[in-house]
Amino acid sequence: LAKTTQPISMDSYEGQEVNITCSHNNIATNDYITWYQQFPSQGPRFIIQGYKTKVTNEVASLFIPADRKSSTLSLPRVSLSDTAVYYCLVGINYGQNFVFGPGTRLSVLP
Amino acid sequence: NAGVTQTPKFQVLKTGQSMTLQCAQDMNHNSMYWYRQDPGMGLRLIYYSASEGTTDKGEVPNGYNVSRLNKREFSLRLESAAPSQTSVYFCATLRGGEANAQHFGDGTRLSIL
Repeated sequence: LAKTTQPISMDSYEGQEVNITCSHNNIATNDYITWYQQFPSQGPRFIIQGYKTKVTNEVASLFIPADRKSSTLSLPRVSLSDTAVYYCLVGINYGQNFVFGPGTRLSVLP
Repeated sequence: NAGVTQTPKFQVLKTGQSMTLQCAQDMNHNSMYWYRQDPGMGLRLIYYSASEGTTDKGEVPNGYNVSRLNKREFSLRLESAAPSQTSVYFCATLRGGEANAQHFGDGTRLSIL
């Protein structure tokens, strides 16, 4: 299982772009990179997933360099409602023992 | 279309009591998972089931048992509850394949006195 490392916490202000980087040095060839968001008292919610280069959806962008040993979740123009914990996971996406780390606690300030 | 449904939402037990947490999904996903989350911590995997009829231990299986009753249902049982098992329990499912991710229920908040 690829272990991931993320910053424990980050602060930002409304309207700014936030970039959260995750390191996964021992990522395997078939592994995907998935990011989740968790609000207090709720289960994690899928944000974005990618394998290589760049993926963009209506919520975020995911940048993955060629060596795939890290990835960056980019949240454009954050608002107070983006305050949450963000988790980076790496795995083959089928019936696997997924491991959640402590995640990154993002605080968006007014 | 409910997605992942966990019951009950809240429960208080006394030490030594037993209880089963229920999880049901209507998404026809193959894999199901049970996690626990302690305050201020990430999720820790208790057990998972890659497909109907199979179960495997996760990171923290001691004190728990699971049953994958059919494709829809995956239950978690505490045979003799201990205060250290006070936590929020989340069930998740995964279809598998590209561009796919786990879907989580709303959690069961369990307190053991």
